Amino acid sequence: DTGVSQDPRHKITKRGQNVTFRCDPISEHNRLYWYRQTLGQGPEFLTYFQNEAQLEKSRLLSDRFSAERPKGSFSTLEIQRTEQGDSAMYLCASSFRIAGAITDTQYFGPGTRLTVL
Amino acid sequence: SQKIEQNSEALNIQEGKTATLTCNYTNYSPAYLQWYRQDPGRGPVFLLLIRENEKEKRKERLKVTFDTTLKQSLFHITASQPADSATYLCALASPIYYGGATNKLIFGTGTLLAVQP
Repeated sequence: DTGVSQDPRHKITKRGQNVTFRCDPISEHNRLYWYRQTLGQGPEFLTYFQNEAQLEKSRLLSDRFSAERPKGSFSTLEIQRTEQGDSAMYLCASSFRIAGAITDTQYFGPGTRLTVL
Repeated sequence: SQKIEQNSEALNIQEGKTATLTCNYTNYSPAYLQWYRQDPGRGPVFLLLIRENEKEKRKERLKVTFDTTLKQSLFHITASQPADSATYLCALASPIYYGGATNKLIFGTGTLLAVQP
């Protein structure tokens, strides 16, 4: 399968614990995005990387959230001191954006469902 | 504030009919718009992308229109099948208005389509 993969698919944790999610983008995609989706809502942008550089972070991304893409390939999203409000589906998407192009088609992974008890 | 609205209620149609889904936006000037399909518990699947200077795009049984004057996109599925039942998400991007650096997507809440056999 050459699509975007995410691990784990489901995570249940207790409030206050730290969790880390991994995303493996489509091979050779230079952009990687993280979104969060709650029930009945569309995905909301969290952050994105161009290769290994993190270029934008949403205000939704509090200090407890950190994302990395150390070698410009896979990415991790860590949430420290989880709260019940962090419960959501965390989606990763990747794309290959050509320099100067306007459009950027993003392909999503299956998501990681986080439940904070 | 920026707002994206999709049919708030579920759309129920009979197999074989054409489904038409609506995406309206305000206080926004997207450079392009994308439609995604999402099944329960899964990540969004890319369907079609249409640019602001394009009026219509087609792919097999799917058709998307984009009217920047009305600030509206319509998504049509012809000869609908029960397998088309899913939530359909509209997403807008305005990289040129964000300085060309980001193609983050702004999503609507989605429309649930149910095709009855």
